[in-house]
Amino acid sequence: EDKVVQSPLSLVVHEGDTVTLNCSYEVTNFRSLLWYKQEKKAPTFLFMLTSSGIEKKSGRLSSILDKKELFSILNITATQTGDSAVYLCAVEGIQGAQKLVFGQGTRLTINP
Amino acid sequence: GAGVSQSPSNKVTEKGKDVELRCDPISGHTALYWYRQSLGQGLEFLIYFQGNSAPDKSGLPSDRFSAERTGGSVSTLTIQRTQQEDSAVYLCASSLDRGWSTEAFFGQGTRLTVV
Repeated sequence: EDKVVQSPLSLVVHEGDTVTLNCSYEVTNFRSLLWYKQEKKAPTFLFMLTSSGIEKKSGRLSSILDKKELFSILNITATQTGDSAVYLCAVEGIQGAQKLVFGQGTRLTINP
Repeated sequence: GAGVSQSPSNKVTEKGKDVELRCDPISGHTALYWYRQSLGQGLEFLIYFQGNSAPDKSGLPSDRFSAERTGGSVSTLTIQRTQQEDSAVYLCASSLDRGWSTEAFFGQGTRLTVV
């Protein structure tokens, strides 16, 4: 059964700190790994990763995938209070239905 | 429409009643997904529609749950004889094609509370 585990489940830091969120997975015939940011109800897309070792970057956020060790990290530098959210990791396998398997999420709180 | 639209945004119902949740995907999106998120949990897959193909219902937790998608557009998720454990946020997402990509968008969800 496909499985995604995120850590930590909760993280509280001060504004300006750098954080690293972790996502490990087990999936049959890996196709992609996605990161979402969920502030209220609707998750919003951040990154899609398909290849190992290639960093995706958007402003202060970056992410990288390791397909050998089956994990991904999401880095946020110079955190701001607006970064406070739940960050969700999800994986998609090639076989079967095109459903994403989500992790439990990491609740990130940035204190001023 | 501009985005995925779900209604109602909040629904409180008595245990044992039936509820219908609606999802209006982005125009032209052929793939539609329903997920639910219980408090403090990740998103749980429920059902997936792709064009005219038979839906993938493998995530529906019981036969009290059903969903349909009329005319390849609007989808309705129905929960019969609701139970307290059905309380969750129900999220709908749509994308242009099979598989997840940057074109996949979520609606704002319906928060269902069964009392």
